[in-house]
Amino acid sequence: SQTIHQWPATLVQPVGSPLSLECTVEGTSNPNLYWYRQAAGRGLQLLFYSVGIGQISSEVPQNLSASRPQDRQFILSSKKLLLSDSGFYLCAWGLISTTNEKLFFGSGTQLSVL
Amino acid sequence: KQEVTQIPAALSVPEGENLVLNCSFTDSAIYNLQWFRQDPGKGLTSLLLIQSSQREQTSGRLNASLDKSSGRSTLYIAASQPGDSATYLCAVNSGGYQKVTFGIGTKLQVIP
Repeated sequence: SQTIHQWPATLVQPVGSPLSLECTVEGTSNPNLYWYRQAAGRGLQLLFYSVGIGQISSEVPQNLSASRPQDRQFILSSKKLLLSDSGFYLCAWGLISTTNEKLFFGSGTQLSVL
Repeated sequence: KQEVTQIPAALSVPEGENLVLNCSFTDSAIYNLQWFRQDPGKGLTSLLLIQSSQREQTSGRLNASLDKSSGRSTLYIAASQPGDSATYLCAVNSGGYQKVTFGIGTKLQVIP
């Protein structure tokens, strides 16, 4: 069966420090991969998605970047964190079945930038 | 632009009660609709996915319906239990990897 691993679960970082969040998927190949951010009282916001190795699409201009160095690995990074980067970050992968895609999520990372 | 609304924002019911959660969307041209459960500080767990051609899907005590023409979906939970307490989110896929819009969710509390 497929599983998705996301770490760390919580992270407290000072403003201006770098960031690296990692996500890996097991049990499937060539998944679509996503990074979302969830803010209190707001719906999930898509940050990046990837349909293959080295292919990254960004949905919103921001202080963050993403990379996909391997088929089942997705990394969210920042060179210098801002206070506004605080939030709950979720990695997800998509299982394509005919014309429909079902999303599966990781356990999330609560990021606090102080 | 697709907009997804979930009403009510919060709901508290006694154990054993049947309940309905609502999800409405503005653009009826959708591929599918997915219901998720989220426990505090955790990721989303997929409950049910309804394709645009389907009317409903069932899994155990859960039943999700879809009325695409009116832009509505409901999640029916039978014989609620305290373990059902969580936030329930619906997500509407309007086509394409980046076209999934999430509602803010309904926070459910089932009181023993």
